[in-house]
Amino acid sequence: EVQLVESGGGLVQPGGSLRLSCAASGFTVSSNYMNWVRQAPGKGLEWVSVIYTGGSTYYADSVQGRFTISRDNSKNTLYLQMNSLRPEDTAVYYCAEPDYWGQGTLVTVSS
Amino acid sequence: EIVLTQSPDFQSVTPKGKVTITCRASQSIGSSLHWYQQKPDQSPKLLIKYASQSFSGVPSRFSGSGSGTDFTLTINSLEAEDAATYYCHQSSSLPYTFGQGTKLEIK
Repeated sequence: EVQLVESGGGLVQPGGSLRLSCAASGFTVSSNYMNWVRQAPGKGLEWVSVIYTGGSTYYADSVQGRFTISRDNSKNTLYLQMNSLRPEDTAVYYCAEPDYWGQGTLVTVSS
Repeated sequence: EIVLTQSPDFQSVTPKGKVTITCRASQSIGSSLHWYQQKPDQSPKLLIKYASQSFSGVPSRFSGSGSGTDFTLTINSLEAEDAATYYCHQSSSLPYTFGQGTKLEIK
């Protein structure tokens, strides 16, 4: 059974950093492209970043230069390092293998 | 950036009815269009991938069609549990994008 479990969210001040983790089971994170998608409170879905099987990474313009996606194949875990956080980054962050999504982790950026 | 525009934004339908949600892409995306269902306080669940391929375990009353720029999600024989917000999503070109969502209410 495929399972994705995110962690690492929380309250952070503007300008701060967080690292989100997404532990996968039932498949290997390197076997397919993996995404981070976010959803601001009461809003729709916004694609954030992708890492392909070969390791190439891409980002939405809104996070380019501030966020870094990575994976640890030995831990079968996907990560999202988020730096220089802004209030508009407040959202539930989901990791998504195209067919399956985690339950999400809430990031709140506020002073 | 490819913009996906869903219609309608909201629809209210009676049980056993039928609903069609459309998703229009601002440029051709082939068949790289996927449909997700999101219920309140839950993560999105895949219904249809690559425009018309039903995902494992999804009831047969959900179907998808289309290619290029125009796509539809059809739900037949609506049930109360189908109340949710539905999103289309394109994986044809970066940045990947989502439609704004269609909220479905079952009366």
